Amino acid sequence: DAGVIQSPRHEVTEMGQEVTLRCKPISGHNSLFWYRQTMMRGLELLIYFNNNVPIDDSGMPEDRFSAKMPNASFSTLKIQPSEPRDSAVYFCASSPTGGGTEAFFGQGTRLTVV
Amino acid sequence: AQSVTQPDIHITVSEGASLELRCNYSYGATPYLFWYVQSPGQGLQLLLKYFSGDTLVQGIKGFEAEFKRSQSSFNLRKPSVHWSDAAEYFCAVGVREYGNKLVFGAGTILRVKS
Repeated sequence: DAGVIQSPRHEVTEMGQEVTLRCKPISGHNSLFWYRQTMMRGLELLIYFNNNVPIDDSGMPEDRFSAKMPNASFSTLKIQPSEPRDSAVYFCASSPTGGGTEAFFGQGTRLTVV
Repeated sequence: AQSVTQPDIHITVSEGASLELRCNYSYGATPYLFWYVQSPGQGLQLLLKYFSGDTLVQGIKGFEAEFKRSQSSFNLRKPSVHWSDAAEYFCAVGVREYGNKLVFGAGTILRVKS
């Protein structure tokens, strides 16, 4: 398997624009997580899906952020409108359902909002 | 609430010297514990994990960690550090109620001097 695939790897956008980050989890994994990494706040969980259903979105910072998982092989994280403080590295991770398993991370998307 | 503390933000060791990175966690049940490593511009790679059983776990690249329930600790060790070990290391606890979502510590940056 190719692992968790994220696109794009880098994104530079202007403030106010819409940004969409994409993730393809490992086939057969039932759990998908979106994390954000910043110098100030470290690694934070934004949202967690299980079997394509959002289970915990308490980490989503505000209504400008939304995430979807239309099927088991694809998820998106959208920011609209984007702001400079959204600049961060966004990671997607997937995991088989059940205890005793680790999360597998993608390479991340480095977002810069100018 | 679950939390992870990594008290050392930076650690510098000489190549060939031993290494110990500290990690303390707070979790109401028997934890799932992980150590991940992140090289600059890369995603997170799993070094090792503890779910149950033997409290001393072996990982990749010669790393090991010991789970001590009485101290709520899961310290990472390596007997002889190589220059290629320079990276950032994250300890995490898995929250089983949420599909094993990970709560991360702030990370420890390891520098290796020759």
